[in-house]
Amino acid sequence: NAGVTQTPKFRILKIGQSMTLQCTQDMNHNYMYWYRQDPGMGLKLIYYSVGAGITDKGEVPNGYNVSRSTTEDFPLRLELAAPSQTSVYFCASSYPLKTSGGHNEQFFGPGTRLTVL
Amino acid sequence: GESVGLHLPTLSVQEGDNSIINCAYSNSASDYFIWYKQESGKGPQFIIDIRSNMDKRQGQRVTVLLNKTVKHLSLQIAATQPGDSAVYFCAETVQGGSEKLVFGKGTKLTVNP
Repeated sequence: NAGVTQTPKFRILKIGQSMTLQCTQDMNHNYMYWYRQDPGMGLKLIYYSVGAGITDKGEVPNGYNVSRSTTEDFPLRLELAAPSQTSVYFCASSYPLKTSGGHNEQFFGPGTRLTVL
Repeated sequence: GESVGLHLPTLSVQEGDNSIINCAYSNSASDYFIWYKQESGKGPQFIIDIRSNMDKRQGQRVTVLLNKTVKHLSLQIAATQPGDSAVYFCAETVQGGSEKLVFGKGTKLTVNP
């Protein structure tokens, strides 16, 4: 299994540009999450999905959109990039605690480092 | 504000010593807690978890303690090694539903040889 893969690894955007951060998992996990991590800080939840066709906002959703058309893919869309969106973005996936035997081990991708200038 | 916080942002220990990393949480409904390790330039990695019906859980060289009375969580690393140098995050969630994790800011552990 490749686990959780994210592309691209790095990206520089100009203010107002748009882009999609890709996330794919091959573990057949129901749950998928997008986090951002600012320097020296913890992770903040942007959006999450509990299954294909279902998405919901996290703590910091403004400026982002997501879709979940398949179990495997959970892309994150930035429509009008702003300097405040400069961050490292992590995608994660997991089974629900009930079906995982009691472990919400969220598996994380390697991250996408985004800079908006 | 964040419901999970850490007492110390940095911790420096000598190789072979035991390390203790602390975490406070404020959501009394949280019933599942996880410690993650994040090495530089990588995504977080699961270390150990604990449910609210337990006070202590042990893994390989790591122990997590949970004190629900004071809403405190700690991670103990025995015989700390240079490879343990990383940022450690605690996270909390409520089982069922979305099971969203709320992360603390993290503690940077440096192990000196």
